Amino acid sequence: AQKITQTQPGMFVQEKEAVTLDCTYDTSDQSYGLFWYKQPSSGEMIFLIYQGSYDEQNATEGRYSLNFQKARKSANLVISASQLGDSAMYFCAMREENSGGSNYKLTFGKGTLLTVNP
Amino acid sequence: NAGVTQTPKFRILKIGQSMTLQCTQDMNHNYMYWYRQDPGMGLKLIYYSVGAGITDKGEVPNGYNVSRSTTEDFPLRLELAAPSQTSVYFCASSYGQRGVETQYFGPGTRLLVL
Repeated sequence: AQKITQTQPGMFVQEKEAVTLDCTYDTSDQSYGLFWYKQPSSGEMIFLIYQGSYDEQNATEGRYSLNFQKARKSANLVISASQLGDSAMYFCAMREENSGGSNYKLTFGKGTLLTVNP
Repeated sequence: NAGVTQTPKFRILKIGQSMTLQCTQDMNHNYMYWYRQDPGMGLKLIYYSVGAGITDKGEVPNGYNVSRSTTEDFPLRLELAAPSQTSVYFCASSYGQRGVETQYFGPGTRLLVL
């Protein structure tokens, strides 16, 4: 079973509107972290936002917020007021944090390609 | 700080050739990682290191080798290049702490094996 599932290969949104990118995860660990990265066409990986499994509040970073629903094992990224520069590939990733060095690696989903239309 | 740097940016290899992808970080991070990204896919971990002299396999280590003689450098070695190793390779580093601490990625190396 996949550990990170992103069911939307591509999404379109109009400029200035909000968009939600879906991410569900699978883990039996109690302690884990969820990340979203942006990969523009230039190829670099840009960290956007982080949610810890014990965080009671949803994470927010500027126009980015993470809709964390622990019981459903979902960690959707919400981008408000979309801009043309938001057009990129978005990856959800998980870090399982039990113990030991091997648990600091990230497991990535396949990504969602977001296109913002003017 | 330059962050994480990778060289080369792009390389074409013939089947059976070998090469080393270089990765250097200047943030004094303990942890370093090598990922590969195949077209239309997320990143998969090849190898990682928790400190100088210590390396371990990730999800897809076959066909690769690594070494970590210093904190700053974490080269990835391809011994006998195969078409299946055509990919974009990302190096990353982190302090290795829990919580919000994230990994910092290099710009990537695009490798084409023909």
